[in-house]
Amino acid sequence: ELKVEQNPLFLSMQEGKNYTIYCNYSTTSDRLYWYRQDPGKSLESLFVLLSNGAVKQEGRLMASLDTKARLSTLHITAAVHDLSATYFCAVDGSLIQGAQKLVFGQGTRLTINP
Amino acid sequence: EPEVTQTPSHQVTQMGQEVILRCVPISNHLYFYWYRQILGQKVEFLVSFYNNEISEKSEIFDDQFSVERPDGSNFTLKIRSTKLEDSAMYFCASRGRYYGYTFGSGTRLTVV
Repeated sequence: ELKVEQNPLFLSMQEGKNYTIYCNYSTTSDRLYWYRQDPGKSLESLFVLLSNGAVKQEGRLMASLDTKARLSTLHITAAVHDLSATYFCAVDGSLIQGAQKLVFGQGTRLTINP
Repeated sequence: EPEVTQTPSHQVTQMGQEVILRCVPISNHLYFYWYRQILGQKVEFLVSFYNNEISEKSEIFDDQFSVERPDGSNFTLKIRSTKLEDSAMYFCASRGRYYGYTFGSGTRLTVV
């Protein structure tokens, strides 16, 4: 069974600081997604990582994928209040027999304080 | 950009009543999904649907749940007899032949 673990689950940080959210998964996959969710809202796609070593950046967020370590990271640089949200990673099991779906981590609730 | 459309955005129902949540996936997508998210918790897989049949379902998707694609465009989730613990946000998603899942805006179901 494909399992996805995020840490930390809660993160409170000050504006201007850097931090990293980690996403570990249990089965080989080379497709990983990062989503942002604001309270009461849907899932906003941030990044799609499709191969080992993939790195994508958008503004203050940068995501990377190491398929050998089964690890993805979401790095926040010089955080600003607008980045406060819950961030989910999700692993695409569609190439894995019996896991033809997206499996989500628990989410990381990020609060950025002025 | 193509969207997945869900209706209604919010539904309140009494315990024991049947509800149908509706989704219009992206037209050329082949794979369809329902997920749910209890308030403050993770996004949980319910069911996947391909080629007009269920391809996988989770333990949550018991006999009270069913899915249909009645007319080739809509994709529905029916809960036959709702329970309080069915209160959640329900997301529909679709995927094409390759990567790329598109999620709808969700239906918030409140069972009272």
